[in-house]
Amino acid sequence: SQELEQSPQSLIVQEGKNLTINCTSSKTLYGLYWYKQKYGEGLIFLMMLQKGGEEKSHEKITAKLDEKKQQSSLHITASQPSHAGIYLCGADIQGAQKLVFGQGTRLTINP
Amino acid sequence: DAGVTQSPTHLIKTRGQQVTLRCSPKSGHDTVSWYQQALGQGPQFIFQYYEEEERQRGNFPDRFSGHQFPNYSSELNVNALLLGDSALYLCATQLISRDYGYTFGSGTRLTVV
Repeated sequence: SQELEQSPQSLIVQEGKNLTINCTSSKTLYGLYWYKQKYGEGLIFLMMLQKGGEEKSHEKITAKLDEKKQQSSLHITASQPSHAGIYLCGADIQGAQKLVFGQGTRLTINP
Repeated sequence: DAGVTQSPTHLIKTRGQQVTLRCSPKSGHDTVSWYQQALGQGPQFIFQYYEEEERQRGNFPDRFSGHQFPNYSSELNVNALLLGDSALYLCATQLISRDYGYTFGSGTRLTVV
């Protein structure tokens, strides 16, 4: 089983709609990263969260780390075609200084 | 400020051959980690190099080996290639004295035929 579970695995939304992707761990997260990946390409850094309750926003994307530091959500407001891609959460679990990744969420935006 | 550079971008090898992938870290970074990403999956940690030593290793066989040079650049070597080694190989670098801050390269797409 995955140390990090992402849901949903796939998401199709109408352009302009809001959406949320979740990332859950059974262990304490020491650093939670959100990345975006176009097919076959490298990972583009979106945001990093470290403190329980922390929330960060960039343009129309907001990420939160819950108080217990075991779950994070990524919320996109008023989705656009440019938001399409694969979203990956990565985490440093228990301070191991290496990243463990979820299996990714494939986001499709329909015009 | 140059980011993480990986070479080559694409590679096709025959089963049983050996391959070497290269990574140049972001300026100021001293630690290199390698990840394997199979199609449709998240990246899996292979190993990490710091001060030219393998610092930690994931669940990969000894066919996967690496090296870090004095200039912090790194190589990933895979011997006796299997079809299942076909994947995107990603390099991530960081400054170890800072707890976080991983920068990823664009990856090398390896196809084993």
